[in-house]
Amino acid sequence: EAGVTQFPSHSVIEKGQTVTLRCDPISGHDNLYWYRRVMGKEIKFLLHFVKESKQDESGMPNNRFLAERTGGTYSTLKVQPAELEDSGVYFCASSQDRRGDGGDTQYFGPGTRLTVL
Amino acid sequence: AQTVTQSQPEMSVQEAETVTLSCTYDTSENNYYLFWYKQPPSRQMILVIRQEAYKQQNATENRFSVNFQKAAKSFSLKISDSQLGDTAMYFCAFTTFQGAQKLVFGQGTRLTINP
Repeated sequence: EAGVTQFPSHSVIEKGQTVTLRCDPISGHDNLYWYRRVMGKEIKFLLHFVKESKQDESGMPNNRFLAERTGGTYSTLKVQPAELEDSGVYFCASSQDRRGDGGDTQYFGPGTRLTVL
Repeated sequence: AQTVTQSQPEMSVQEAETVTLSCTYDTSENNYYLFWYKQPPSRQMILVIRQEAYKQQNATENRFSVNFQKAAKSFSLKISDSQLGDTAMYFCAFTTFQGAQKLVFGQGTRLTINP
């Protein structure tokens, strides 16, 4: 079974440019999460999809970030325009919803390292 | 606010030794899950062990065990007979039964196992 995949693995862009990150969850996982780790700090939650619907987007930093999950499969996270403070590692995770109480294991992708110059 | 604190940014031990990583958390919820994740160098983050807050018995997974102290809001990870492959960043995290199931992480502990 393929794990969570993310593309690209590394992206270097100039301030003001646009970048789109992609996440492919494990097949059959309805839950998809985006997290971010900035400059060696703790990993922080960005948002959570259940299928194609946004369940919780309370962690999104501002309106320069736009996440989509068309058809409830893969997800994209677009940053437009990128700022210096957006640099970090963006993780995607997916889980099934067997328990329905938050206890399902979240499986993480390898992350996308974003560098904004 | 819900927070997780890992007070040891880095640790280093010799192979075969036992090491304990500390984690404290703060939440007003009574029901929640606690996790330890590890991220080996240049590899994906994987779940090491999970603890349900309503269970008094400490979780164990082979060489990995936890010391869960609910009243103290403490959740330490013990690695016995450490191996070179245990070298990784270790993250403590929790999620509550309510809400969107998001994980709240600590800052991580970089563990190095030396030969």
